[in-house]
Amino acid sequence: DTGVSQDPRHKITKRGQNVTFRCDPISEHNRLYWYRQTLGQGPEFLTYFQNEAQLEKSRLLSDRFSAERPKGSFSTLEIQRTEQGDSAMYLCASSRSSGSCTFGSGTRLTVV
Amino acid sequence: KQEVTQIPAALSVPEGENLVLNCSFTDSAIYNLQWFRQDPGKGLTSLLLIQSSQREQTSGRLNASLDKSSGRSTLYIAASQPGDSATYLCAASTDSWGKLQFGAGTQVVVTP
Repeated sequence: DTGVSQDPRHKITKRGQNVTFRCDPISEHNRLYWYRQTLGQGPEFLTYFQNEAQLEKSRLLSDRFSAERPKGSFSTLEIQRTEQGDSAMYLCASSRSSGSCTFGSGTRLTVV
Repeated sequence: KQEVTQIPAALSVPEGENLVLNCSFTDSAIYNLQWFRQDPGKGLTSLLLIQSSQREQTSGRLNASLDKSSGRSTLYIAASQPGDSATYLCAASTDSWGKLQFGAGTQVVVTP
């Protein structure tokens, strides 16, 4: 059990650029979640995968956001045409069905 | 919609004192409730998971209780240490997919 890995740890990008984040969940976990956290707040749910199927997307996930989990393994979260309001910590988590969630260390995005 | 509240937002205690952290939620129909710890700039570490059928969970110096009827959970940390300084977040899962609704957290400082 190597934990949930996220890459990169930090990303600084100019407004209008596209960015992509990667998450490698714990191998035997079939569920994968993306959350976004801003300073002083708890994480907010973005989207959820059961194996390779994306089963729910939050209204927070605008058309500029897309997530994939090919073959039910790693996942990517892409933000197109980034805006300053996208600056946040993006957290990935995984779990077995009905188990506790294990979170990664997050990707901190700064849009300048 | 489930809303999770944590009061107070910040707490400072001298080393050795017991910590009591509160979490309230508006919808009693929860699947489970989790407590997490977050260090500055880091991801979340799961502390305790309480299933909806349980009243409490214990791990070492940590004990968490759940009262669904009153919409409350409490995390007790016995004999606090400076290493317990962190932000503590509670999160309620209100569906079978494991999606979590977080509170904003309580920032704890334990002074030597």
